[in-house]
Amino acid sequence: QVQLVESGGGVVQPGGSLRLSCSASGFSISNYGIHWVRQAPGKGLEWVAFIRYDGSRKHYADSVEGRFSISTDNSKNTMYLQMNSLRAEDTAVYYCAKARLLDYGDFDYWGQGTLVTVSS
Amino acid sequence: EVVLTQSPATLSLSPGERATLSCRASQSISNYLSWYQQKPGQTPRLLIYDASIRATGVPARFSGSGSGTDFTLTISSLEPEDFAVYYCQQRVTWPPLTFGGGTKVEIK
Repeated sequence: QVQLVESGGGVVQPGGSLRLSCSASGFSISNYGIHWVRQAPGKGLEWVAFIRYDGSRKHYADSVEGRFSISTDNSKNTMYLQMNSLRAEDTAVYYCAKARLLDYGDFDYWGQGTLVTVSS
Repeated sequence: EVVLTQSPATLSLSPGERATLSCRASQSISNYLSWYQQKPGQTPRLLIYDASIRATGVPARFSGSGSGTDFTLTISSLEPEDFAVYYCQQRVTWPPLTFGGGTKVEIK
């Protein structure tokens, strides 16, 4: 069955970097777009980034543009979110989510999330 | 950016009652709206996509309606497991994809 497993979260100082991983099983990431969505503690959902199934298109929220970078390794069926210049407001649970179809902008499967805490 | 406004913020109901949740878009989004359910400490779950289509495995008591700017999620008879936070989300114009602020359905 479809499964997404995030890893790489942790505590980092402001200005620091982290790389999150999202390992997929039960489907091929070369056939579906993948999104990252985050949720600050006690808050709602915020879309962060997207990579098209063939890697030809990437999109980012304004709040992370220029600081975050999304990529994939199809051989490992894994996608990554490189987060640089982290700020306190980036503190959140980060979910990877599979596009429902191709490069659609809705999500039918989500990972369990990984917590990123930006604090000195 | 399409802004989604959900109302009410909190809905206090008893099991067996009907729940009606609203989501209003700042511009027309046709039927490109999804609904997600999130229980405490859990991952969001897709309930409805394209405004009215139930996702795989979603019980028939959940229904979605609307088009343009006004959308509704209805739970016909609340079960104990339905008490959760519900989010709407649009995909007609992106980036960015946007979510509503959520409606919490709590036990009265």
